[in-house]
Amino acid sequence: DSGVTQTPKHLITATGQRVTLRCSPRSGDLSVYWYQQSLDQGLQFLIQYYNGEERAKGNILERFSAQQFPDLHSELNLSSLELGDSALYFCASSPGLNPTEQFFGPGTRLTVL
Amino acid sequence: QKEVEQDPGPLSVPEGAIVSLNCTYSNSAFQYFMWYRQYSRKGPELLMYTYSSGNKEDGRFTAQVDKSSKYISLFIRDSQPSDSATYLCAMSADTGTASKLTFGTGTRLQVTL
Repeated sequence: DSGVTQTPKHLITATGQRVTLRCSPRSGDLSVYWYQQSLDQGLQFLIQYYNGEERAKGNILERFSAQQFPDLHSELNLSSLELGDSALYFCASSPGLNPTEQFFGPGTRLTVL
Repeated sequence: QKEVEQDPGPLSVPEGAIVSLNCTYSNSAFQYFMWYRQYSRKGPELLMYTYSSGNKEDGRFTAQVDKSSKYISLFIRDSQPSDSATYLCAMSADTGTASKLTFGTGTRLQVTL
């Protein structure tokens, strides 16, 4: 158990809908990262927050948004869902900005029907 | 062309064999090199990391980085059935302000009895 928690574990929804994925980082960690894992693209970086501030952005679609709250938990919002958004979404956290200290949560499996 | 290339396998070896897993990359800004292990339906867990070039050993695992060839390797000695998993290489540049990871697609390893 990495100490990173993600809810829900599974999510099944329809095209066009909006969902929110939640991540609680390890105690004391200030950085939160979101990654998407699909069969054809592998594990892709979406976005990073450090102490509430956006620090890096990957190939995140405009339909997706994220934020990190004052208590350091983070939410990833996915809207106007398409079939291709079906994937595993992972959250990771680290104490600071060292890339070697990222610990991943168990993931949220999103299925868009 | 992807920034990080990794042979997807699957790779099947008998118990006790030496396993060699490799990645190549194109971005010369990468300074941090990580290996993650991912069991089915679980989040990736960090195995080892190396900063810049060189070797690092941890028990049965050895990581090597050759920056001149843009080539990294992970060796597993005396492989065990419990090593059966997908192995992901990951890399990051030393920006000091952000720490996104760029992953290879992963190599699926099966260690048979």
